[in-house]
Amino acid sequence: GAVVSQHPSWVICKSGTSVKIECRSLDFQATTMFWYRQFPKQSLMLMATSNEGSKATYEQGVEKDKFLINHASLTLSTLTVTSAHPEDSSFYICSARSEQETQYFGPGTRLLVL
Amino acid sequence: KQEVTQIPAALSVPEGENLVLNCSFTDSAIYNLQWFRQDPGKGLTSLLLIQSSQREQTSGRLNASLDKSSGRSTLYIAASQPGDSATYLCAVKFSGTYKYIFGTGTRLKVLA
Repeated sequence: GAVVSQHPSWVICKSGTSVKIECRSLDFQATTMFWYRQFPKQSLMLMATSNEGSKATYEQGVEKDKFLINHASLTLSTLTVTSAHPEDSSFYICSARSEQETQYFGPGTRLLVL
Repeated sequence: KQEVTQIPAALSVPEGENLVLNCSFTDSAIYNLQWFRQDPGKGLTSLLLIQSSQREQTSGRLNASLDKSSGRSTLYIAASQPGDSATYLCAVKFSGTYKYIFGTGTRLKVLA
């Protein structure tokens, strides 16, 4: 089946630094990718939808200037957490939608901000 | 507001039992529904995908049913094993939308 990868799988950073997370569709082209966030013992919440070559659409309550999304190619979307703070510590999961409109989920990136 | 709810939040059963996990959604106009498994600290593993036109899907010991009119889906696990211990998430793609809305999950523990 189709595979979506994320890099890094784990990241620990100091408060105030920026962190970039990559999401790649390995064997298919994804015009649309989604970024989710999951806090401990909670479900996934959609943060934003990114379409290749255009600006991302953010869900209500998600700061677009804090969570920068770039979808520069049909196989890569990046999420940058700018000036990260401890409350941004979470599990970030991306998903990619194939041309057949099936969504495949990545393995997730765990962010810990000290 | 389109919402997805899962009951129970947590479940503990002895090995070998058959069990049912429930998912309910507020709008019967759905595109599809998907059940996922999530192990602690890990990503999602897709278990079963049910399209709007389908009533059930089966994979091994897993069977998922869909009743759109009542806004419900169930995941049936037969002959449970300790390896089935995980959190099970239900996600619904409502008609006219491009995104999945996830339920709160059911944390399952199968005791040896």
